[in-house]
Amino acid sequence: NAGVTQTPKFRILKIGQSMTLQCTQDMNHNYMYWYRQDPGMGLKLIYYSVGAGITDKGEVPNGYNVSRSTTEDFPLRLELAAPSQTSVYFCASSRQGGSNSPLHFGNGTRLTVT
Amino acid sequence: DAKTTQPPSMDCAEGRAANLPCNHSTISGNEYVYWYRQIHSQGPQYIIHGLKNNETNEMASLIITEDRKSSTLILPHATLRDTAVYYCIVRGPNTGNQFYFGTGTSLTVIP
Repeated sequence: NAGVTQTPKFRILKIGQSMTLQCTQDMNHNYMYWYRQDPGMGLKLIYYSVGAGITDKGEVPNGYNVSRSTTEDFPLRLELAAPSQTSVYFCASSRQGGSNSPLHFGNGTRLTVT
Repeated sequence: DAKTTQPPSMDCAEGRAANLPCNHSTISGNEYVYWYRQIHSQGPQYIIHGLKNNETNEMASLIITEDRKSSTLILPHATLRDTAVYYCIVRGPNTGNQFYFGTGTSLTVIP
């Protein structure tokens, strides 16, 4: 199993550009998540999904959009990139919600906005 | 949520057991203890989690004290590839999908 796969690994954007961060998982997990990690900080939840067709905002959703058309895929869209969105983005999945279901993370996308 | 305290760094000789401690003295009865690690430039990797009982899987063992105020992650035979930052996290019903890693313990396995 590949687990959680994220593409691209690195990306540099100019201010105002848009892009989609791809995330796919092959574990048939219902829950998927997007986090950002800034240097020296913990993970901040951007959006999450409890199943295909269902998404909800996390702690820091502004400037991002998501969709969940299939169980496997959970892309994150940045419409108008801003320097504040420079970060490392992690996608994760879990079989179910709740505190007894571990999250499995991808290897991240390192985004720089200049 | 319960906060956790870990030593900032530890060394371990290759082939020996690595014992990583974590204090979580304010943990609630329905909160789980999780361990993750992050190797440089990779995503957080799930290791193990538990509620009350000791747990073991193919990667590690988790020992939780009877009062649940502390725990120890044991890597039985550390290898150079185990060099990473290890995070002890407490998750419960009030955590939602929050995930605060804190500063963790930087483990260096020495040849």
